[in-house]
Amino acid sequence: QKEVEQDPGPLSVPEGAIVSLNCTYSNSAFQYFMWYRQYSRKGPELLMYTYSSGNKEDGRFTAQVDKSSKYISLFIRDSQPSDSATYLCAMIDSNYQLIWGAGTKLIIKP
Amino acid sequence: DAGVIQSPRHEVTEMGQEVTLRCKPISGHNSLFWYRQTMMRGLELLIYFNNNVPIDDSGMPEDRFSAKMPNASFSTLKIQPSEPRDSAVYFCASSQDLNQPQHFGDGTRLSIL
Repeated sequence: QKEVEQDPGPLSVPEGAIVSLNCTYSNSAFQYFMWYRQYSRKGPELLMYTYSSGNKEDGRFTAQVDKSSKYISLFIRDSQPSDSATYLCAMIDSNYQLIWGAGTKLIIKP
Repeated sequence: DAGVIQSPRHEVTEMGQEVTLRCKPISGHNSLFWYRQTMMRGLELLIYFNNNVPIDDSGMPEDRFSAKMPNASFSTLKIQPSEPRDSAVYFCASSQDLNQPQHFGDGTRLSIL
């Protein structure tokens, strides 16, 4: 079993829909949680960074962390075709080990 | 602000040749990471440095791979000799510290013929 599980997709939704992307993890030592967006032929770009359970909002993006369930989510409201990309979750444990999810390919249809 | 700068953006070379990839981290960042990304294996951490010192190189696939960070503003990843299975996109990332989010360059697309 991988330490971080993320459905590779692709996930295809119509423009304007709310998108939910998720990762589950097994290591309770993870303390810091991040979401990255990666466009084709570009490096991953940091979207959200959080270190506590609960919600963090930034524009159309909301990151949610549930440490008791070992589950993190990224919600995208009013999705746009420009949101089409691969979304990767990443986590850091107490020993500063960074573990990446495999990434979910998201397609927003106009 | 300048982000992480990698060079070259593309490299095509023949098997057996030495390849050197370069990275300039964001000024003030203390940690630097080298990654390899392929369709099959996704994003793999190769090695990372903190304050110019290599901390963990367990992700380096073979002795053909080596990395250096001679100062806070420059790092290299070298492959010698290169093989076709080394073909991938190589990313460099930097962060303020090991528990801070990483910022990535645009990568070097390496093709070994």
